[in-house]
Amino acid sequence: DSGVTQTPKHLITATGQRVTLRCSPRSGDLSVYWYQQSLDQGLQFLIQYYNGEERAKGNILERFSAQQFPDLHSELNLSSLELGDSALYFCASSRPAGLALTSYNEQFFGPGTRLTVL
Amino acid sequence: SQKIEQNSEALNIQEGKTATLTCNYTNYSPAYLQWYRQDPGRGPVFLLLIRENEKEKRKERLKVTFDTTLKQSLFHITASQPADSATYLCALDLGSSNTGKLIFGQGTTLQVKP
Repeated sequence: DSGVTQTPKHLITATGQRVTLRCSPRSGDLSVYWYQQSLDQGLQFLIQYYNGEERAKGNILERFSAQQFPDLHSELNLSSLELGDSALYFCASSRPAGLALTSYNEQFFGPGTRLTVL
Repeated sequence: SQKIEQNSEALNIQEGKTATLTCNYTNYSPAYLQWYRQDPGRGPVFLLLIRENEKEKRKERLKVTFDTTLKQSLFHITASQPADSATYLCALDLGSSNTGKLIFGQGTTLQVKP
């Protein structure tokens, strides 16, 4: 158990719909990362938040957005869903540099949310 | 273009042998390179991190090397066990401005047969 929780575990929805994925980082971790993993694309970085602020952006579609709340949990919003958005969505968290006990930026991944768009 | 390559074909080895997985990259200058293990349907689990100024890192039966001239990292599992069967991902950490953004390879699936 990494200490990162994600809900829901599975999500089945239709094209055109909007969904929200939720992530709670490990206690004490300030950074939250979102990744998308599909069979053909591998694990793709979407976006990072650090202590409530957006820190880095990857190949995140405009239909997707995220935020990190004061209690450090994060939500990833996916709208106008398409069949190609079906994937595993992972959240990861890490300690800020300088506070890591063992490594610079070891990331702890949650169990993922499997999104199926029909 | 920037690219990370791991052996796309599954690696099948016999229990007790050493497994060696390769990670090659082009047009990146990573400050750190990390290796993760991923089991089917589960999130990746951190294994090892190696810095650009380190040649080798060990942890129990695991060993990672990092050659910034060749732009290559090798990941070794000695005395492999069936429980080591999983997909192994290498990830580049460009280390810029504390973003922590990781660029992952596609992963290599290892199958250890008893």
